Amino acid sequence: GENVEQHPSTLSVQEGDSAVIKCTYSDSASNYFPWYKQELGKRPQLIIDIRSNVGEKKDQRIAVTLNKTAKHFSLHITETQPEDSAVYFCAASSSSGGSYIPTFGRGTSLIVHP
Amino acid sequence: DAGVTQSPTHLIKTRGQQVTLRCSPKSGHDTVSWYQQALGQGPQFIFQYYEEEERQRGNFPDRFSGHQFPNYSSELNVNALLLGDSALYLCASSLVDRGSGEQYFGPGTRLTVT
Repeated sequence: GENVEQHPSTLSVQEGDSAVIKCTYSDSASNYFPWYKQELGKRPQLIIDIRSNVGEKKDQRIAVTLNKTAKHFSLHITETQPEDSAVYFCAASSSSGGSYIPTFGRGTSLIVHP
Repeated sequence: DAGVTQSPTHLIKTRGQQVTLRCSPKSGHDTVSWYQQALGQGPQFIFQYYEEEERQRGNFPDRFSGHQFPNYSSELNVNALLLGDSALYLCASSLVDRGSGEQYFGPGTRLTVT
């Protein structure tokens, strides 16, 4: 089965700095890579995703890059703000009968200091 | 547009007891997946239901069972509870025909086994 490794487990930055979270996956069949943000006591929410046919995707201050050859993908947050503080999860999945079952990383706790 | 809802919010049970958790999917969604999220970990896939049948199952024992009703809502049942079953149980809904991979999570049920 799929195995997703995520680093670092904790990331502390100053407001305005950039933050980078990296993930690797093992199953070459994986073709959908979502990122979720989970604030304390709340549900995971999808913030950005990327499919295997593109190498990079941006949405305002958030970007994700994918290297299929190396089987790794990364989340980049620029101009971090205190409200970005949360746990971020990467996931990797492939389609089976039209549905995707993501395998999640263990999460990165991002702390943005004002 | 109603999002994913789960009940109850919190639950305390004793070892050996049985528990039933409930989930209503996002309006228009037909697929429900259940996840177990232990403290400090990413969500782990338990199983997925579509058209009232279990489509896929993760690495969980038979003590974990489920059901999907004609209105697409779902239940997760856990028998013979163990201390290690204490976790946040998340339900996520999606739409198979859309094939986008995006899953919408509910707020979760916090289960404590004593």
